[in-house]
Amino acid sequence: KAGVTQTPRYLIKTRGQQVTLSCSPISGHRSVSWYQQTPGQGLQFLFEYFSETQRNKGNFPGRFSGRQFSNSRSEMNVSTLELGDSALYLCASSFSGAWDGYTFGSGTRLTVV
Amino acid sequence: SQQGEEDPQALSIQEGENATMNCSYKTSINNLQWYRQNSGRGLVHLILIRSNEREKHSGRLRVTLDTSKKSSSLLITASRAADTASYFCATDNNNDMRFGAGTRLTVKP
Repeated sequence: KAGVTQTPRYLIKTRGQQVTLSCSPISGHRSVSWYQQTPGQGLQFLFEYFSETQRNKGNFPGRFSGRQFSNSRSEMNVSTLELGDSALYLCASSFSGAWDGYTFGSGTRLTVV
Repeated sequence: SQQGEEDPQALSIQEGENATMNCSYKTSINNLQWYRQNSGRGLVHLILIRSNEREKHSGRLRVTLDTSKKSSSLLITASRAADTASYFCATDNNNDMRFGAGTRLTVKP
């Protein structure tokens, strides 16, 4: 079966711009979570969506937002980009939640210059 | 914020040796999971152990969980060069999944 697909793989943006990242989960998976990974902070939880509803949220500013569509595909948006937003953004899907174990995508590498 | 802490931060061994990584956490959990990550790619799910389980095996992997000490260990037996990666523990508390900082394992051929 197809894995979790994240697009794009790499992105370079300028400070102040906004960016949208996309994640297509494994077919049948209804839970999608997003994580930010940086060398200094490690893996930080952003948010989780289930059936188009945000079910959990981490401690990130309101510039970070997301949504999930009826086909379970998810997008995350970061507005007013800062240099510190440079990171690997990982999407993970599961059938119903973290208790199932996650399948991760390969990530989107965002560089803010 | 992170929940688990892995120990050691880095581990270097020879092929064929066993590798043991430890994870400590702070709050109660429903389950604990171990993941592997190769060179900044996505994480791969290795094994899940529930809070009422004490030990679990999967191929060359053995995971233990001690909820009284809030700790877990991952043992990789007969390591191979292909096991070189970062290993993360993740704790699930009511669908709130938090990852540790990881252990960087290097297996020398």
